[in-house]
Amino acid sequence: EIVMTQSPATLSVSPGERVTLSCRASQSVSNYLAWYQQKPGQAPRLLIYGASTKAIGIPARFSGTGSGTEFTLTISSLQSEDFAVYYCQHYNNWPPKCSFGQGTKLEIK
Amino acid sequence: EVQLVESGGGLVMPGGSLRLSCAASGFTFSSYYLSWVRQTPGKGLEWVSSISGSSYIYYADSVKGRFTISRDNAKNSLFLQMNSLGAEDTAVYYCATPYYDSSGYFVTLFDHWGPGTVVTVSS
Repeated sequence: EIVMTQSPATLSVSPGERVTLSCRASQSVSNYLAWYQQKPGQAPRLLIYGASTKAIGIPARFSGTGSGTEFTLTISSLQSEDFAVYYCQHYNNWPPKCSFGQGTKLEIK
Repeated sequence: EVQLVESGGGLVMPGGSLRLSCAASGFTFSSYYLSWVRQTPGKGLEWVSSISGSSYIYYADSVKGRFTISRDNAKNSLFLQMNSLGAEDTAVYYCATPYYDSSGYFVTLFDHWGPGTVVTVSS
């Protein structure tokens, strides 16, 4: 089983700041890496897949990079609506399976 | 607009059973893979099971032999029969569809999610 590790667990930032979240895979996942955003009481929302491709409707301030075992999600200028928990996920198709990181919580400084 | 609504959650005794349902609308149900994903405060997000439109089925090792996924394409409904429940199955259970782009889709890359239904296993 591939283990996804996110850091840090919590990040205190101010609106307007640039922030980078990290995700590490226990073995290479190529670019089969996604990022989700989850707000309290809501289901996760897909932001990025293929390590760097934005899902439909995702604002330009979100970007993803990385391949193999090291990945980052960057938010270029934090908006109030971006304070949430962010999860990385390795996914594959055959057989279908996936594994999620434990999440990074962005909180207002 | 794609809509997914789960139901059937509740409080169940250890060793008991529960059947979850997911009512879907806004897309060609029979053509889509559908999945169950659960979330706990302790273990976080965990893929549970997926089923194709023609009922190819896949399970996570943690539920294999205890959970059964099924679907009724005529009623646009997805189900999860959960047996031999333990405390570790306590979670919010979501149904979800794959994300499709011009290249196709990945079964476990999740696009639309329902609001979830809460399952609590406790005596």
